[in-house]
Amino acid sequence: DSGVTQTPKHLITATGQRVTLRCSPRSGDLSVYWYQQSLDQGLQFLIQYYNGEERAKGNILERFSAQQFPDLHSELNLSSLELGDSALYFCASSVGLNQPQHFGDGTRLSIL
Amino acid sequence: QQQVKQSPQSLIVQKGGISIINCAYENTAFDYFPWYQQFPGKGPALLIAIRPDVSEKKEGRFTISFNKSAKQFSLHIMDSQPGDSATYFCAASMGGAGSYQLTFGKGTKLSVIP
Repeated sequence: DSGVTQTPKHLITATGQRVTLRCSPRSGDLSVYWYQQSLDQGLQFLIQYYNGEERAKGNILERFSAQQFPDLHSELNLSSLELGDSALYFCASSVGLNQPQHFGDGTRLSIL
Repeated sequence: QQQVKQSPQSLIVQKGGISIINCAYENTAFDYFPWYQQFPGKGPALLIAIRPDVSEKKEGRFTISFNKSAKQFSLHIMDSQPGDSATYFCAASMGGAGSYQLTFGKGTKLSVIP
């Protein structure tokens, strides 16, 4: 158990809908990263927050957004969902910026 | 543009054998190279990591070899066991003004047969 908690584990929804994925980092970790895992693209970095502030953006679509709250949990919001958004979404956390990242077990998003 | 190339895609090793997975990177600014192990239905779990100031790091049966001039690094699993059957990912990140986000290889599916 990595100590990173992601909810829900599975999410099934339809095209055009909006969903929110939640991540609780390990106790004491200030940095949260979001990654997308798909068969064709592999594991890709989406966005990072550090102590409540956005730190970096990767290959994140404009339809996607995220935030980190004062209690350090983070949410990834995906809107106007398309079939191609079906993937595993992972959250990782680390104590600081240059520290090992520990992953949660992900949220499997299926778009019908 | 794939910044971290991993090979092979799949690997079958007999129990007790040595599993070797290779990665090559392009960006010389990368300064942290972790390996992750992923079982079906689970998230990637950090296995072992190395920084470019050393050429080798060993933790139990797992060893990373790092060749800075060739921009290559590899994972060796000694005395491979059926429980090691999983997908392995190499990754790289850079610090400084960056975010330390991980750039992953495509993964290697390892099967250890009894």
